[in-house]
Amino acid sequence: DTAVSQTPKYLVTQMGNDKSIKCEQNLGHDTMYWYKQDSKKFLKIMFSYNNKELIINETVPNRFSPKSPDKAHLNLHINSLELGDSAVYFCASSQDPYQGYEQYFGPGTRLTVT
Amino acid sequence: TQLLEQSPQFLSIQEGENLTVYCNSSSVFSSLQWYRQEPGEGPVLLVTVVTGGEVKKLKRLTFQFGDARKDSSLHITAAQPGDTGLYLCAGGPRGGTDKLIFGTGTRLQVFP
Repeated sequence: DTAVSQTPKYLVTQMGNDKSIKCEQNLGHDTMYWYKQDSKKFLKIMFSYNNKELIINETVPNRFSPKSPDKAHLNLHINSLELGDSAVYFCASSQDPYQGYEQYFGPGTRLTVT
Repeated sequence: TQLLEQSPQFLSIQEGENLTVYCNSSSVFSSLQWYRQEPGEGPVLLVTVVTGGEVKKLKRLTFQFGDARKDSSLHITAAQPGDTGLYLCAGGPRGGTDKLIFGTGTRLQVFP
């Protein structure tokens, strides 16, 4: 069974479009995250939700909007896509954000904006 | 801003060689994790160290947390092609936040 899953795996789209990435975890974790990994493989946190509540919101453009319908799902919607949004986006989850930081990552979504 | 610098950035070695990857910061961390990421996959947790000076072993991999909890090292003995990947350290900062700070990464290639 896949612990953290993301869809789609690959996403190619044009500038100005709006797209969504979905994430689901079946680990029973309370906290979920979105990370962005750039072309140099640097991994940086974007958002974190704990029990459907936003607890981390890094300096990310307003075009990015996370939504957590329940604690097992965290989706990422991106409006007006730009060339600089091209990257690999990873979803992750952890049991408890305040007592440990061990995180379980999904396989990633490679977003290419043309 | 807390930064974790890893060195070397790239490493290409032959099977059977030993290697060490370093993860350094000027900040103190409450814990330090090491992840390995293979192409097309997400990072996978290898180990977590929480006590200054702590050493953990995972088969041929030895992880150490610095005494001052500002740095860590990963030593691989007799590297194998299956060890190939991107190695990332990640620090859990002090102060109660739940944000992991990831290192700059080390890309390891082990040739048969």
